[in-house]
Amino acid sequence: DTGVSQDPRHKITKRGQNVTFRCDPISEHNRLYWYRQTLGQGPEFLTYFQNEAQLEKSRLLSDRFSAERPKGSFSTLEIQRTEQGDSAMYLCASSLRGRDTEAFFGQGTRLTVV
Amino acid sequence: EDKVVQSPLSLVVHEGDTVTLNCSYEVTNFRSLLWYKQEKKAPTFLFMLTSSGIEKKSGRLSSILDKKELFSILNITATQTGDSAVYLCAVTPHGSSNTGKLIFGQGTTLQVKP
Repeated sequence: DTGVSQDPRHKITKRGQNVTFRCDPISEHNRLYWYRQTLGQGPEFLTYFQNEAQLEKSRLLSDRFSAERPKGSFSTLEIQRTEQGDSAMYLCASSLRGRDTEAFFGQGTRLTVV
Repeated sequence: EDKVVQSPLSLVVHEGDTVTLNCSYEVTNFRSLLWYKQEKKAPTFLFMLTSSGIEKKSGRLSSILDKKELFSILNITATQTGDSAVYLCAVTPHGSSNTGKLIFGQGTTLQVKP
């Protein structure tokens, strides 16, 4: 499978616990994005990496959220001290820099905080 | 603030009908507009539009952009039950950082009945 891969697909956690999600982009894509989608809404931008550099973060990304892309390949998104309001679908996307190219999305990680 | 508004929010039609989905936007520096189809999890790419008046077609789907009036439409002719999905419209701002991030509308939920 050469598409964007996300793991896990589903995560149920208790409030206050930490969770970490992983995204493996399409191999030649140097741009990587994280989005959050709640029920009935479109995805909202969280953060953007170009290679290993995190170049933009949304104000939605509170200090409990951190993302990394250590070697410019896969990325992780960690949420510390989860709250019920963090329950959402977390989508990862990747694209090529340098031309108008579409972003390809992964299947997402569905987080439920109980 | 950059904004994308889609209408209608939901639509129910019968197989064979033709539907038109609307997307209007306000963005500081427009670069491109994209349409995605979201069935269960991952949004899948349909079209990217950068120039006014040029229709893009793929089978029964077509889309066009009007940069003067700041809107786009997505047409689906001879609808089938497999067209049932959420259709997402997104714009890419052309800022100094040129990150390629997407600003999504809330989506239109289309249900096609047999």
